[in-house]
Amino acid sequence: NAGVTQTPKFRILKIGQSMTLQCTQDMNHNYMYWYRQDPGMGLKLIYYSVGAGITDKGEVPNGYNVSRSTTEDFPLRLELAAPSQTSVYFCASSQSQGSAYEQYFGPGTRLTVT
Amino acid sequence: AQSVTQPDIHITVSEGASLELRCNYSYGATPYLFWYVQSPGQGLQLLLKYFSGDTLVQGIKGFEAEFKRSQSSFNLRKPSVHWSDAAEYFCAVGASGGTSYGKLTFGQGTILTVHP
Repeated sequence: NAGVTQTPKFRILKIGQSMTLQCTQDMNHNYMYWYRQDPGMGLKLIYYSVGAGITDKGEVPNGYNVSRSTTEDFPLRLELAAPSQTSVYFCASSQSQGSAYEQYFGPGTRLTVT
Repeated sequence: AQSVTQPDIHITVSEGASLELRCNYSYGATPYLFWYVQSPGQGLQLLLKYFSGDTLVQGIKGFEAEFKRSQSSFNLRKPSVHWSDAAEYFCAVGASGGTSYGKLTFGQGTILTVHP
Protein backbone atom coordinates (compact mmCIF):
# COMPACT_ATOMS: atom_id res chain seq x y z
CA ASN A 1 0.00 0.00 0.00
CA ALA A 2 1.96 3.00 -1.29
CA GLY A 3 -0.54 5.71 -0.27
CA VAL A 4 -0.14 8.88 -2.34
CA THR A 5 2.71 8.98 -4.82
CA GLN A 6 3.93 11.98 -6.81
CA THR A 7 6.29 12.28 -9.73
CA PRO A 8 8.69 13.85 -10.39
CA LYS A 9 10.33 14.77 -7.07
CA PHE A 10 12.22 17.70 -8.57
CA ARG A 11 11.95 19.63 -11.82
CA ILE A 12 13.44 22.75 -13.34
CA LEU A 13 11.43 24.44 -16.08
CA LYS A 14 12.19 27.35 -18.32
CA ILE A 15 9.69 30.21 -18.55
CA GLY A 16 6.96 29.34 -21.03
CA GLN A 17 7.44 25.56 -20.88
CA SER A 18 4.65 23.21 -19.87
CA MET A 19 4.61 20.11 -17.71
CA THR A 20 2.33 17.71 -15.88
CA LEU A 21 2.76 16.77 -12.24
CA GLN A 22 1.53 13.25 -11.64
CA CYS A 23 -0.38 12.09 -8.56
CA THR A 24 -1.69 8.60 -7.85
CA GLN A 25 -3.35 7.14 -4.76
CA ASP A 26 -4.12 3.49 -4.06
CA MET A 27 -6.50 3.94 -1.12
CA ASN A 28 -9.66 4.21 -3.23
CA HIS A 29 -10.26 7.73 -1.93
CA ASN A 30 -12.90 9.83 -3.62
CA TYR A 31 -11.47 13.24 -2.72
CA MET A 32 -8.17 14.48 -4.12
CA TYR A 33 -6.43 17.83 -3.81
CA TRP A 34 -3.53 19.83 -5.17
CA TYR A 35 -1.77 22.36 -2.95
CA ARG A 36 1.21 24.62 -3.37
CA GLN A 37 3.44 25.51 -0.46
CA ASP A 38 5.51 28.68 -0.38
CA PRO A 39 7.76 29.66 2.56
CA GLY A 40 5.82 31.36 5.35
CA MET A 41 2.53 31.06 3.45
CA GLY A 42 1.24 27.66 4.51
CA LEU A 43 -0.54 25.55 1.92
CA LYS A 44 -2.86 27.04 -0.68
CA LEU A 45 -5.44 24.89 -2.44
CA ILE A 46 -5.10 24.94 -6.25
CA TYR A 47 -7.73 22.45 -7.38
CA TYR A 48 -9.68 19.63 -5.87
CA SER A 49 -11.87 16.75 -6.99
CA VAL A 50 -14.68 14.90 -5.22
CA GLY A 51 -14.68 12.01 -7.66
CA ALA A 52 -13.82 10.88 -11.16
CA GLY A 53 -14.97 13.44 -13.71
CA ILE A 54 -15.59 16.16 -11.10
CA THR A 55 -13.11 18.95 -10.42
CA ASP A 56 -13.34 22.44 -9.00
CA LYS A 57 -11.12 25.43 -8.41
CA GLY A 58 -9.50 26.17 -5.12
CA GLU A 59 -7.96 29.38 -3.85
CA VAL A 60 -5.16 29.80 -6.43
CA PRO A 61 -6.14 28.06 -9.71
CA ASN A 62 -4.74 30.53 -12.26
CA GLY A 63 -2.09 29.02 -14.51
CA TYR A 64 -3.05 25.43 -13.73
CA ASN A 65 -5.41 22.79 -15.05
CA VAL A 66 -6.51 19.39 -13.78
CA SER A 67 -8.41 16.36 -14.91
CA ARG A 68 -9.75 13.32 -13.07
CA SER A 69 -10.52 10.45 -15.41
CA THR A 70 -10.01 7.71 -12.80
CA THR A 71 -10.37 7.44 -9.03
CA GLU A 72 -6.64 6.83 -8.65
CA ASP A 73 -5.07 9.62 -10.72
CA PHE A 74 -5.25 13.40 -10.44
CA PRO A 75 -2.62 15.08 -12.67
CA LEU A 76 -1.88 18.82 -12.45
CA ARG A 77 -0.97 20.60 -15.67
CA LEU A 78 1.10 23.78 -15.82
CA GLU A 79 0.79 25.69 -19.07
CA LEU A 80 3.26 28.46 -19.90
CA ALA A 81 5.28 28.21 -16.71
CA ALA A 82 6.10 31.46 -14.90
CA PRO A 83 8.60 32.23 -12.10
CA SER A 84 5.62 32.77 -9.75
CA GLN A 85 4.90 29.04 -10.06
CA THR A 86 8.17 28.15 -8.37
CA SER A 87 6.94 26.25 -5.34
CA VAL A 88 6.56 22.87 -3.70
CA TYR A 89 3.45 21.06 -4.87
CA PHE A 90 1.61 18.53 -2.75
CA CYS A 91 -1.11 16.14 -3.77
CA ALA A 92 -3.45 14.75 -1.11
CA SER A 93 -6.42 12.44 -0.91
CA SER A 94 -9.17 11.62 1.55
CA GLN A 95 -12.31 9.58 1.88
CA SER A 96 -15.65 11.30 1.72
CA GLN A 97 -18.51 11.33 4.20
CA GLY A 98 -17.04 12.46 7.48
CA SER A 99 -13.41 11.61 6.84
CA ALA A 100 -12.85 14.16 4.10
CA TYR A 101 -10.57 16.22 6.27
CA GLU A 102 -8.22 13.39 7.15
CA GLN A 103 -6.05 14.06 4.18
CA TYR A 104 -3.13 11.87 3.22
CA PHE A 105 -0.30 13.74 1.55
CA GLY A 106 2.24 12.74 -1.02
CA PRO A 107 5.95 13.59 -0.61
CA GLY A 108 5.76 16.65 -2.86
CA THR A 109 7.28 17.93 -6.10
CA ARG A 110 9.76 20.79 -5.89
CA LEU A 111 9.44 22.93 -9.03
CA THR A 112 11.72 25.76 -10.06
CA VAL A 113 10.86 28.01 -13.00
CA THR A 114 13.73 30.10 -14.36
CA ALA B 1 -14.61 32.98 4.66
CA GLN B 2 -12.64 30.87 7.07
CA SER B 3 -9.08 31.74 8.07
CA VAL B 4 -6.36 30.54 10.41
CA THR B 5 -3.58 32.49 12.12
CA GLN B 6 -0.52 30.98 13.73
CA PRO B 7 1.13 33.90 15.52
CA ASP B 8 4.52 32.23 16.04
CA ILE B 9 6.64 31.67 12.94
CA HIS B 10 9.47 29.94 14.80
CA ILE B 11 9.68 28.45 18.31
CA THR B 12 12.74 26.98 19.99
CA VAL B 13 12.51 24.73 23.03
CA SER B 14 14.89 22.47 24.92
CA GLU B 15 14.40 18.73 24.83
CA GLY B 16 12.19 17.68 27.73
CA ALA B 17 10.52 21.08 28.03
CA SER B 18 6.82 21.59 27.54
CA LEU B 19 5.44 23.01 24.30
CA GLU B 20 2.45 25.09 23.29
CA LEU B 21 1.83 26.18 19.70
CA ARG B 22 -0.84 28.78 19.18
CA CYS B 23 -3.63 28.75 16.62
CA ASN B 24 -6.51 31.18 16.16
CA TYR B 25 -9.27 30.64 13.64
CA SER B 26 -12.08 32.59 12.09
CA TYR B 27 -15.25 30.80 11.04
CA GLY B 28 -18.92 31.65 11.33
CA ALA B 29 -20.13 28.34 12.71
CA THR B 30 -18.63 25.51 14.72
CA PRO B 31 -15.43 24.67 12.89
CA TYR B 32 -13.64 21.44 12.22
CA LEU B 33 -10.06 21.94 13.45
CA PHE B 34 -6.87 20.07 12.74
CA TRP B 35 -3.17 20.02 13.41
CA TYR B 36 -0.80 18.60 10.82
CA VAL B 37 2.96 18.08 11.10
CA GLN B 38 5.52 18.24 8.31
CA SER B 39 8.98 16.77 8.78
CA PRO B 40 11.73 18.18 6.56
CA GLY B 41 11.33 17.09 2.96
CA GLN B 42 8.09 15.22 3.65
CA GLY B 43 4.40 15.67 3.11
CA LEU B 44 2.01 16.55 5.93
CA GLN B 45 0.71 14.06 8.49
CA LEU B 46 -2.42 14.48 10.58
CA LEU B 47 -1.66 14.84 14.32
CA LEU B 48 -5.16 15.31 15.68
CA LYS B 49 -8.61 16.61 14.89
CA TYR B 50 -11.60 18.24 16.56
CA PHE B 51 -15.12 17.83 15.20
CA SER B 52 -17.34 18.16 18.26
CA GLY B 53 -17.73 16.95 21.83
CA ASP B 54 -14.89 16.97 24.31
CA THR B 55 -12.87 20.12 23.79
CA LEU B 56 -9.58 18.44 24.73
CA VAL B 57 -8.48 16.06 22.01
CA GLN B 58 -5.62 13.62 22.01
CA GLY B 59 -3.49 12.89 19.00
CA ILE B 60 -0.54 10.84 17.92
CA LYS B 61 3.00 11.19 19.27
CA GLY B 62 1.77 12.43 22.67
CA PHE B 63 0.23 15.67 21.40
CA GLU B 64 -3.04 17.18 22.56
CA ALA B 65 -5.03 20.28 21.67
CA GLU B 66 -7.79 22.23 23.35
CA PHE B 67 -10.66 23.93 21.53
CA LYS B 68 -11.70 27.19 23.19
CA ARG B 69 -14.69 28.69 21.45
CA SER B 70 -14.62 31.91 23.49
CA GLN B 71 -11.07 32.60 22.35
CA SER B 72 -11.40 31.13 18.83
CA SER B 73 -8.32 29.10 19.59
CA PHE B 74 -7.07 25.55 19.13
CA ASN B 75 -3.62 25.43 20.71
CA LEU B 76 -1.40 22.38 20.43
CA ARG B 77 0.47 21.12 23.50
CA LYS B 78 2.97 18.49 24.51
CA PRO B 79 4.23 18.05 28.08
CA SER B 80 7.75 16.93 27.16
CA VAL B 81 9.31 17.55 23.76
CA HIS B 82 11.60 15.05 22.07
CA TRP B 83 14.29 15.92 19.52
CA SER B 84 12.28 14.02 16.90
CA ASP B 85 9.43 16.55 17.30
CA ALA B 86 11.45 19.15 15.38
CA ALA B 87 9.29 19.91 12.34
CA GLU B 88 6.83 22.44 10.97
CA TYR B 89 3.33 22.41 12.41
CA PHE B 90 0.23 23.58 10.63
CA CYS B 91 -3.16 24.38 12.08
CA ALA B 92 -6.10 24.04 9.70
CA VAL B 93 -9.83 24.70 9.68
CA GLY B 94 -12.48 22.97 7.61
CA ALA B 95 -16.02 24.06 6.89
CA SER B 96 -18.65 21.98 8.66
CA GLY B 97 -20.91 21.99 5.62
CA GLY B 98 -21.96 23.62 2.41
CA THR B 99 -20.01 23.85 -0.82
CA SER B 100 -16.69 24.09 1.03
CA TYR B 101 -17.06 20.67 2.64
CA GLY B 102 -13.79 18.75 2.48
CA LYS B 103 -11.62 21.81 1.86
CA LEU B 104 -9.04 22.85 4.41
CA THR B 105 -7.65 26.32 5.07
CA PHE B 106 -4.16 26.18 6.54
CA GLY B 107 -2.30 28.59 8.77
CA GLN B 108 1.14 29.86 7.87
CA GLY B 109 2.91 27.22 9.93
CA THR B 110 5.17 27.24 13.00
CA ILE B 111 8.68 25.86 12.75
CA LEU B 112 9.74 24.03 15.92
CA THR B 113 13.42 23.70 16.74
CA VAL B 114 14.45 21.43 19.61
CA HIS B 115 17.76 22.00 21.41
CA PRO B 116 19.43 18.99 23.08
